[in-house]
Amino acid sequence: DSGVTQTPKHLITATGQRVTLRCSPRSGDLSVYWYQQSLDQGLQFLIHYYNGEERAKGNILERFSAQQFPDLHSELNLSSLELGDSALYFCASSADPNYGYTFGSGTRLTVV
Amino acid sequence: ELKVEQNPLFLSMQEGKNYTIYCNYSTTSDRLYWYRQDPGKSLESLFVLLSNGAVKQEGRLMASLDTKARLSTLHITAAVHDLSATYFCAVGNFNKFYFGSGTKLNVKP
Repeated sequence: DSGVTQTPKHLITATGQRVTLRCSPRSGDLSVYWYQQSLDQGLQFLIHYYNGEERAKGNILERFSAQQFPDLHSELNLSSLELGDSALYFCASSADPNYGYTFGSGTRLTVV
Repeated sequence: ELKVEQNPLFLSMQEGKNYTIYCNYSTTSDRLYWYRQDPGKSLESLFVLLSNGAVKQEGRLMASLDTKARLSTLHITAAVHDLSATYFCAVGNFNKFYFGSGTKLNVKP
């Protein structure tokens, strides 16, 4: 157990629907990063939150949004889902990048 | 945007052999990371390299960093089957870090 908790582990939904993925960082980590891993795009950085504030955005679609709550857990919201959104979604947390980042076990999203 | 290139993308090797995976990146970066991923699993941190000339070793894996050449290497010594996995390098700063495409390593008995 890495200490980073992601739920749900698996999610199957239909095109056009909306889903929410949840991430609880390791105790004491203020940063949460979201990544999308697909076969054709590899690991893509989506967004970074630090202590409730958005710090950086990557290749995140407008249909996707995220937030980090006062208890530091984060949610990634995916709407108007398309088949191409099927992927593994990882979050990672960090207290100090000099010591690296810890990844959760991921949420496998399948859009049918 | 920072570009990170790994090669080779696929590597099939015999047990007991040595090999090196290369990671090139396009712009100056604060830190470089190596991760391992088993199929369908999460990413496991292997090394964090923070400065030019940094070298770190863990078991049969050794990573090094040359910031002037913007190059990191992951050297595998006397490979064993348990090392079969996909290896990623990642480069970035506090706000975001970018991954290479990964090197899928298959060590054959």
